[in-house]
Amino acid sequence: EIVLTQSPGTLSLSPGERATLSCRASQSVTSNSLAWYQQKPGQAPRLLIYDASSRATGIPDAFAGSGSGTDFTLTISRLEPEDFAVYYCQQYGSSPRTFGQGTKVEIK
Amino acid sequence: QAQLVQSGAEVKRPGASVKVSCKASGYTFTSFAMHWVRQAPGQGLEWMGWINTGNGDTRYSQKFQGRVTITRDTSASTAYMELISLRYADTAVYYCAREHLVSGGSCYAYWGQGTLVTVSS
Repeated sequence: EIVLTQSPGTLSLSPGERATLSCRASQSVTSNSLAWYQQKPGQAPRLLIYDASSRATGIPDAFAGSGSGTDFTLTISRLEPEDFAVYYCQQYGSSPRTFGQGTKVEIK
Repeated sequence: QAQLVQSGAEVKRPGASVKVSCKASGYTFTSFAMHWVRQAPGQGLEWMGWINTGNGDTRYSQKFQGRVTITRDTSASTAYMELISLRYADTAVYYCAREHLVSGGSCYAYWGQGTLVTVSS
């Protein structure tokens, strides 16, 4: 099973700042099959990025995914008030599919 | 636009079983696999398994093997997840998620609203 470790656990930033979230895999993620999701309280997760760097439909270009192999990054170039949430990475290249434990982006 | 609507919240005793439904609309049900993911209170996301809605084949996480069964009713465009021998640690929100086909495989662009299952004596 591929273990995904996200860091930091919590990121305290102000609106307008840049957020950099990390997701490290215990072994190489097949075909860079890695997604990022955003989740707000009481809501289902929302797909942001798939295949490590492709934005999902309707996702603003402030969100960018990068990385390959075992190291992946989600960057939010300029935080908007609605971007404060929990972010999860997920690999779907190997079974079982696994998620990271999440990074909470909170308002400083 | 695909939409997934799940059944309502449940309260179950330890040792009981629960069956959660997920009704799909807005697309051809049998064209996309359905996955189940759960989230314990204040915790992260945990993949449970999936069903090929076309032929009914299933695959489960080793953690839930023997306790979870995912089925589907194609005539009703509905997938089901049954979990037996419930424990307190099974208290969670259970989500169905439709696969979204991409180059590297499939992720989840469509989610149900979640069903809270509470295990309590």
